[in-house]
Amino acid sequence: GQQLNQSPQSMFIQEGEDVSMNCTSSSIFNTWLWYKQEPGEGPVLLIALYKAGELTSNGRLTAQFGITRKDSFLNISASIPSDVGIYFCAGQGGSGGSNYKLTFGKGTLLTVNP
Amino acid sequence: DSGVTQTPKHLITATGQRVTLRCSPRSGDLSVYWYQQSLDQGLQFLIQYYNGEERAKGNILERFSAQQFPDLHSELNLSSLELGDSALYFCASSVGQGFTEAFFGQGTRLTVV
Repeated sequence: GQQLNQSPQSMFIQEGEDVSMNCTSSSIFNTWLWYKQEPGEGPVLLIALYKAGELTSNGRLTAQFGITRKDSFLNISASIPSDVGIYFCAGQGGSGGSNYKLTFGKGTLLTVNP
Repeated sequence: DSGVTQTPKHLITATGQRVTLRCSPRSGDLSVYWYQQSLDQGLQFLIQYYNGEERAKGNILERFSAQQFPDLHSELNLSSLELGDSALYFCASSVGQGFTEAFFGQGTRLTVV
């Protein structure tokens, strides 16, 4: 099936630093979403993007839907220890998938040193 | 707490056995989705039900089946289990048929020995 290329695979940063991660695909999606998963929990939706070029913020998180509809990035500003977790991008609809399911990236493991 | 309840949280079973995973969606949600999460494959969509009917199928093996009952809870049945079936199995639910505003449960960790 369609794969999303998510990078980096992992990041080790100091508290207070900014973080950037991205996802690319060879196919277009109608929706891009970013999830965070903590140990022992299911993924939690952080940001949903519905339009090419859209830039959306949720607190210290900012995500953008690439203009080509084939990529998206997530930025976290002024990281704090509770930002630790695995961040997943996911695409829905378009030529890359269906409207009934999400195609997930492999995730970015974020570690924040206090 | 997402409001999606999955049981059991952990399951250890032997190869060749059959297990049933259960999911109770959030109150009012009609769609249930099943996902498998493994280290090498990541999160893979298995199947979706909407108001009792199968809506979409993903990478679900023939040894696996699911159903959604009239009270909207869902069960995922895994049979003839193999070592490679060891994974986290997540259920998610949403009000409508589209996935976007879906909420995930905490998952069932299945270990096949």
